[in-house]
Amino acid sequence: GAVVSQHPSRVICKSGTSVKIECRSLDFQATTMFWYRQFPKQSLMLMATSNEGSKATYEQGVEKDKFLINHASLTLSTLTVTSAHPEDSSFYICSASVTGYNEQFFGPGTRLTVL
Amino acid sequence: GDSVTQMEGPVTLSEEAFLTINCTYTATGYPSLFWYVQYPGEGLQLLLKATKADDKGSNKGFEATYRKETTSFHLEKGSVQVSDSAVYFCALSDRGYNFNKFYFGSGTKLNVKP
Repeated sequence: GAVVSQHPSRVICKSGTSVKIECRSLDFQATTMFWYRQFPKQSLMLMATSNEGSKATYEQGVEKDKFLINHASLTLSTLTVTSAHPEDSSFYICSASVTGYNEQFFGPGTRLTVL
Repeated sequence: GDSVTQMEGPVTLSEEAFLTINCTYTATGYPSLFWYVQYPGEGLQLLLKATKADDKGSNKGFEATYRKETTSFHLEKGSVQVSDSAVYFCALSDRGYNFNKFYFGSGTKLNVKP
């Protein structure tokens, strides 16, 4: 149980385009979803936290207008990288949790490459 | 604030060697502690966890004990295999309003040679 999926697993796009990444909790309802960014050989950097039906809370230094997060339902959150640039190339990982359970369940990650 | 510090890698061991990856934490409350493993090109998988002091988490031959007196959660395995080669993350979860925020260590890469 507690499976989280991400789609796509890999995406290559041209500079200036927008890319949407989906994060789904497959067998549970996630009250909170988290988006992380991981640079090569580095740890996970929390970008934002989203609760279903409300605006995401962004960490300091993360541009909310560039990284749009939508958490429309208890099983789906999306991250849209707008006007992507090569420096946005990274591994993006989502996770999901349920209120009252002290654990996060991670998706497999999405490798974004911006040319 | 809360933070996690783990030993830098890479750690290179021969198969069947003993493994220790050190992890210490700083927390204001009573956190839960976790070890996650990441294989190349994949997301994080929970390896083990402990929710209170003196708890021992274990899974797949790995163990870690929540030591409040030394604020540590060191990962150990008695005999590593080549398939254990991965990056290991120590993490702390503090209870926040309505969700649990995680703090990750920098990760330790383990290379196991046959």
